[in-house]
Amino acid sequence: DIQMTQSPSSLSASVGDRVTITCRASQNINIYLNWYQQKPGQAPKLLIYAASSLQSGAPSRFSGSGSGTEFTLTISSLQPEDFAIYYCQQSYSTLFTFGGGTKVEIK
Amino acid sequence: QVTLRESGPALVKPTQTLTLTCTFSGFSLSTSGMCVGWIRQPPGKALEWLARIDWDDDEYYSTSLQTRLTISKDTSKNQVVLTMTNMDPVDTATYFCARLVSGRGYYFDYWGQGSLVTVSS
Repeated sequence: DIQMTQSPSSLSASVGDRVTITCRASQNINIYLNWYQQKPGQAPKLLIYAASSLQSGAPSRFSGSGSGTEFTLTISSLQPEDFAIYYCQQSYSTLFTFGGGTKVEIK
Repeated sequence: QVTLRESGPALVKPTQTLTLTCTFSGFSLSTSGMCVGWIRQPPGKALEWLARIDWDDDEYYSTSLQTRLTISKDTSKNQVVLTMTNMDPVDTATYFCARLVSGRGYYFDYWGQGSLVTVSS
């Protein structure tokens, strides 16, 4: 199975900060990488699909980049509602895998 | 409007079989490119993909759980059923179903609210 590793596992940031989260795949996954946001007690919400495509309704301050084995999710200016856990997920393989998550906390 | 809702027991005993039903609306699993998947999340832990079923009846399972899982669909009822045998306390988790669409890769664009399943005697 393809392993997905996210870093950092957690970070503290202030409102207005630029935040970057990294996801690495154990093998080449082309662009087949998705990002989700999950808030406490809620289901995950799709933010980015195919590495860089913004899901309809997701705020434009979220962006994704990368291909192959290394990917990033960037929040250009962190807002209070962005404090959450972020997960990457690969769909290159028919056996999907998620990363371990990155918790974004208030500094 | 796409919605999904999980239903099933909140408590199961060790060694029992868990049966969860995902009832959805706003799309059809007979439409080319449509799929439904199951994902679980133990308390305080990360998401884990379990299984998926496609519009053409193809099924896929997590490598680590494939011997215990069965997924099926009833297109006429807009339902997908997941069964997991030989439940253990480590299987305590919130179980989500989600719509999986294909386009540029596959991605879960709509999720149910989740169903918490506790495994305990």
